[in-house]
Amino acid sequence: GDSVTQMEGPVTLSEEAFLTINCTYTATGYPSLFWYVQYPGEGLQLLLKATKADDKGSNKGFEATYRKETTSFHLEKGSVQVSDSAVYFCALSFYNFNKFYFGSGTKLNVKP
Amino acid sequence: SQTIHQWPATLVQPVGSPLSLECTVEGTSNPNLYWYRQAAGRGLQLLFYSVGIGQISSEVPQNLSASRPQDRQFILSSKKLLLSDSGFYLCAWERGGRDYEQYFGPGTRLTVT
Repeated sequence: GDSVTQMEGPVTLSEEAFLTINCTYTATGYPSLFWYVQYPGEGLQLLLKATKADDKGSNKGFEATYRKETTSFHLEKGSVQVSDSAVYFCALSFYNFNKFYFGSGTKLNVKP
Repeated sequence: SQTIHQWPATLVQPVGSPLSLECTVEGTSNPNLYWYRQAAGRGLQLLFYSVGIGQISSEVPQNLSASRPQDRQFILSSKKLLLSDSGFYLCAWERGGRDYEQYFGPGTRLTVT
């Protein structure tokens, strides 16, 4: 079935370090891919998305590229800040499918 | 602009008591609506979704139920809570069609004692 697998956390980095959070997916067909972020005690916020192969989603310095050949959508940021500390969720969905498949989340801790 | 509200923000209930959580969306019409549960340190589990008034799809058989009495109102209920119902409950809406990102509410923290 359709699913999303994320790297386990927590990921602990120093401020200004480079971030990669791995996400791979299994899907029949061509899903859209998403990254959501959840700050402590809050709901999820859409961070970025990509709707077709080779698309790059970007927002707030974060980027992810939809790689169909490797079924991946890894999240990257060149220089993390303490304020980026949160849990990051990778997800997939299909047009008109009424379901999102979320990964288990990766907690990021950024130390000053 | 669209906003989504959930209440209450936090709730502590004894085992066996009833539950009612409410979610409302403003600024859009005929949204798809979703209830998720997030256990401590875990990912999201889809509980219910609705594509219209009175239309509810259940993803996980359990002692919870959902209702959609109005277009922009989604209610999660239980007649008798279990300890395992503790968690963070998130409501989300989706515009549907080509623009199908999900937008989440602030969540309700439920502790069953």
